[in-house]
Amino acid sequence: NAGVMQNPRHLVRRRGQEARLRCSPMKGHSHVYWYRQLPEEGLKFMVYLQKENIIDESGMPKERFSAEFPKEGPSILRIQQVVRGDSAAYFCASSPGKEVSGANVLTFGAGSRLTVL
Amino acid sequence: GESVGLHLPTLSVQEGDNSIINCAYSNSASDYFIWYKQESGKGPQFIIDIRSNMDKRQGQRVTVLLNKTVKHLSLQIAATQPGDSAVYFCAENPIDDKIIFGKGTRLHILP
Repeated sequence: NAGVMQNPRHLVRRRGQEARLRCSPMKGHSHVYWYRQLPEEGLKFMVYLQKENIIDESGMPKERFSAEFPKEGPSILRIQQVVRGDSAAYFCASSPGKEVSGANVLTFGAGSRLTVL
Repeated sequence: GESVGLHLPTLSVQEGDNSIINCAYSNSASDYFIWYKQESGKGPQFIIDIRSNMDKRQGQRVTVLLNKTVKHLSLQIAATQPGDSAVYFCAENPIDDKIIFGKGTRLHILP
């Protein structure tokens, strides 16, 4: 079991370009979470998804940001027309969900660090 | 509530001493709490959890205390070691499967 895999680990984009961050959850996990972290700050919840469904996107900016978790393949966090303020570490986590495990313990990936020039 | 954009507080502890890291949570409906450790350049790792029907839980060298009356969690690390240097986050599960993180505390070990 390879754990939660995120790629790319580091991504550099110029202002106005698009950034796509990918996350493959642990085997058997149907819930995916995305968090954003600025240097020396905490983890800010963005969105959580189950297969093909967005369950809670209350932490996602209204514009330019979107997330998906298709039936096949990894979850994608997409940031369109990036600005310097989007520079951050983006962490993905997965879990089997409370209904399966009784407690919602998240397993995190190593993160994707986005730098916008 | 949500983790806010404030710089992390730091706790400095002598190697070998016990560390106590505190956390205030926001939602009285939360029924499950977790402590995570984040080392530099890595993702958070699970340390220990506790359900709201308990007030104390012990692991290896770590103890979590829960005070629901004042919505307070603490993480105690016994005999702190250099490898314990990290940022520690508490997290709460207020509803369904949503997990909200606290602000975090940086633990710095003094030689």
